[in-house]
Amino acid sequence: KAGVTQTPRYLIKTRGQQVTLSCSPISGHRSVSWYQQTPGQGLQFLFEYFSETQRNKGNFPGRFSGRQFSNSRSEMNVSTLELGDSALYLCASSFSSPYEQYFGPGTRLTVT
Amino acid sequence: GESVGLHLPTLSVQEGDNSIINCAYSNSASDYFIWYKQESGKGPQFIIDIRSNMDKRQGQRVTVLLNKTVKHLSLQIAATQPGDSAVYFCAEVSGGSYIPTFGRGTSLIVHP
Repeated sequence: KAGVTQTPRYLIKTRGQQVTLSCSPISGHRSVSWYQQTPGQGLQFLFEYFSETQRNKGNFPGRFSGRQFSNSRSEMNVSTLELGDSALYLCASSFSSPYEQYFGPGTRLTVT
Repeated sequence: GESVGLHLPTLSVQEGDNSIINCAYSNSASDYFIWYKQESGKGPQFIIDIRSNMDKRQGQRVTVLLNKTVKHLSLQIAATQPGDSAVYFCAEVSGGSYIPTFGRGTSLIVHP
C-alpha cells in the first residue's frame, strides 16, 4: 500500500509570499496531522484534521491554516511568510484517531 | 539535558549491544507517550507507544519503560543493528485532545 505522499518536496519562497503544501494520506486513513520541524524548535504539532474538520490545533499563529477534502487529502497554507517559517513540514496520517501515525517524507520550505 | 538543533545528545553503541535512550517529559498530566525513529531525509516512524496506566510495554526488539514518579520514559533496543542508527524522539500527549509535545531527540549511532 502506498505511503503518505507530500508535494512539493522542496520549495523556496520569499518573505511576504504565501505557500500551499499538499498531503495525500494512506488510502483509507481519515486523520491527517501537520507538523513543523526546525533545528531550533524541534518537532512541533500544527493541527489535525478528520473528516474535513479541524479536530486539534497546536500553538501556531493564524498565518498557518489547513483544510481537508472529502477524499482525506489535506493542504496547509502559510501566509505572509517569515524567515522563521523555513522548516521541514511533515504530514502524517492514521486511520481514525491521531495515534500510531504514518509520516510522509516532508516538504522542505526555505524562505529567503 | 537535551541539546538544541544539530547538537543532539548522541548515543554510540556497537552492533549487537543493547541501547537505552532516555526522555524526560514535562507534564505530569500526560497520559500517552510515543517513541518515534527518524532516519536522515525521512519522516518520523512510529516505534511503540504506552499509556500512563502501564509501566512497561514490549514490541519487537524494543521495550518502553515509563516512570511516572520522576516523569521519565526510556526506550530499550535489544541487539542493536546498524539499521537502528537514527534520531529517536519521545512525545507526550495529555488529556483527551491530541496535542503532542516532542522531545528534542537523541541520535543513536550503531558501529558495525
